[in-house]
Amino acid sequence: EVQLVESGGGLVQPGGSLKLSCAASGFTFSGSAMHWVRQASGKGLEWVGRIRSKANSYATAYAASVKGRFTISRDDSKNTAYLQMNSLKTEDTAVYYCTRLVVSSSYVVDYWGQGTLVTVSS
Amino acid sequence: DIQMTQSPSSLSASVGDRVTITCRASQGISNYLAWYQQKPGKVPKLLIYAASTLQSGVPSRFSGSGSGTDFTLTISSLQPEDVATYYCQKYNSALTFGGGTKVEIK
Repeated sequence: EVQLVESGGGLVQPGGSLKLSCAASGFTFSGSAMHWVRQASGKGLEWVGRIRSKANSYATAYAASVKGRFTISRDDSKNTAYLQMNSLKTEDTAVYYCTRLVVSSSYVVDYWGQGTLVTVSS
Repeated sequence: DIQMTQSPSSLSASVGDRVTITCRASQGISNYLAWYQQKPGKVPKLLIYAASTLQSGVPSRFSGSGSGTDFTLTISSLQPEDVATYYCQKYNSALTFGGGTKVEIK
């Protein structure tokens, strides 16, 4: 069974930093791209960024709203993806989800963690 | 970056009504378009992928169409359990979401 478990959320002051983790199990983590998606309370879903597999050079991509402040990384030996968030702003307050999307020629399957809440406030 | 624009942002319809939600991509995305349903306090649920393919277990009253830049999600006969917010999402590279459509029962 595929499981994605986020951790590391909490309260941080504006301008501060926080690092989220996403522990994965039930699939070949090293071969999978991993995404982060966030959702502010009462708002829509916003894609944050993704990291591809080693075979795809660990390529990363980010939403314009977080580019230059957030960094996604992974440790395949620990089956874990990370989201390092720096220079946090109040508008970064949201539930952060780790997601995996499997796309093939004949099917698409998605997996989501339960989310971890990040609150940026003084 | 490709933007996804959904309309309307909310709608209210009666049980049994046909409901249509549209999604427009700022550039062509072929058929790399998914539709999600999200109920309060829950993670999004994948309904449709490849613009028109129904995910296993999703009721047949849901359907999708479109290609390129213009896409549609249709609920043929709205049911009380369909009250939710619906999002379109492109999934070629970045997973950009539309702004969402909140569906309520009149």
